[in-house]
Amino acid sequence: ETGVTQSPTHLIKTRGQQVTLRCSSQSGHNTVSWYQQALGQGPQFIFQYYREEENGRGNFPPRFSGLQFPNYSSELNVNALELDDSALYLCASSLEGSYGYTFGSGTRLTVV
Amino acid sequence: GESVGLHLPTLSVQEGDNSIINCAYSNSASDYFIWYKQESGKGPQFIIDIRSNMDKRQGQRVTVLLNKTVKHLSLQIAATQPGDSAVYFCAEREYGNKLVFGAGTILRVKS
Repeated sequence: ETGVTQSPTHLIKTRGQQVTLRCSSQSGHNTVSWYQQALGQGPQFIFQYYREEENGRGNFPPRFSGLQFPNYSSELNVNALELDDSALYLCASSLEGSYGYTFGSGTRLTVV
Repeated sequence: GESVGLHLPTLSVQEGDNSIINCAYSNSASDYFIWYKQESGKGPQFIIDIRSNMDKRQGQRVTVLLNKTVKHLSLQIAATQPGDSAVYFCAEREYGNKLVFGAGTILRVKS
């Protein structure tokens, strides 16, 4: 059984640029969620995808968007990067209707 | 949405002692609670979970207690080891599959 893998592990971007982060879900999981974790804080829910559609969103602006693919892998896109977007971005996969969530190790994004 | 909070930001314990990490939640509609351990540079690692229709659940060296009357969740770690040093988060599941995390408690184990 494979876990959740995220790429890249670290990334440095300039303010105003765009970034795409990737996540490969755990085998058998059909739901993926993305979280933002600022330094010293708990993860904050960005959004969730199920069957390739967004089905829940946290308090994040529209410049945060995502995609889920037929193989359940996912992307998080952030446009017009701001300094406050610097954080650890976590992907979690789960099976709709079940209780388990598996997190990846995250992508550390630094915006300069 | 409503948030999950923790009482103690940092907990220091002696190796071999028992640790108790507490958490208060505010959303009475949450049906599922999870404790995660997060080590530096890693994602949250599942420790133990409990559904809202239970008040206690035990794992290997860990126990989670849920008191819905006062909206309180606790994690007990028996015979704490240096490898238990990490940040611990409680999380509650709100509508759909959204997890709401607290700010975290740092557990430091002294040898």
